[in-house]
Amino acid sequence: AQSVTQPDIHITVSEGASLELRCNYSYGATPYLFWYVQSPGQGLQLLLKYFSGDTLVQGIKGFEAEFKRSQSSFNLRKPSVHWSDAAEYFCAVGAPGNQFYFGTGTSLTVIP
Amino acid sequence: GAGVSQTPSNKVTEKGKYVELRCDPISGHTALYWYRQSLGQGPEFLIYFQGTGAADDSGLPNDRFFAVRPEGSVSTLKIQRTERGDSAVYLCASSPVPGAYNEQFFGPGTRLTVL
Repeated sequence: AQSVTQPDIHITVSEGASLELRCNYSYGATPYLFWYVQSPGQGLQLLLKYFSGDTLVQGIKGFEAEFKRSQSSFNLRKPSVHWSDAAEYFCAVGAPGNQFYFGTGTSLTVIP
Repeated sequence: GAGVSQTPSNKVTEKGKYVELRCDPISGHTALYWYRQSLGQGPEFLIYFQGTGAADDSGLPNDRFFAVRPEGSVSTLKIQRTERGDSAVYLCASSPVPGAYNEQFFGPGTRLTVL
């Protein structure tokens, strides 16, 4: 069965520091992978997605993610975090049948 | 353009009552999804519509939950005999066409509290 694991429940980083949020998936075939961000009172917003091809994908707001098949990972990175990046981040895998399976999320706090 | 909207934004009800949650997808989007997000969890799939029909309702937890999309646009999630465990944020998303590779556009959610 498909599943997504985000091992870090909460991460705190200083503004300007680099960021990496971890995501591991379980899926039999090449997955469709997504990262979404959820700010308080806002809907989930897509940051980036991976389907095939280049394993390093660029997204909005300066985020990128790298697909590593050997590690079943799709970690999200940002070189320099801004205070406005504080939010909840969800990794998701898209499966046949058009279902999305989401991880439990990582809450990001940015300190000045 | 307008995004996905959901009404009400908050709903408080008593155990045993019936509730309806509404979703207005982005105009022209044929695929519509409902998710439930409990505190501290990621969204959990409930049901997916392609047009007017429910293409996959395998995520509905039991027969107290039902959803319709009679004209292929607005959808209503209906919960009968609500229980305290139904308390969660209910999210709706739409997509231009179905497919696990397509971005889903999410609404802000309806926070349901069952007392």
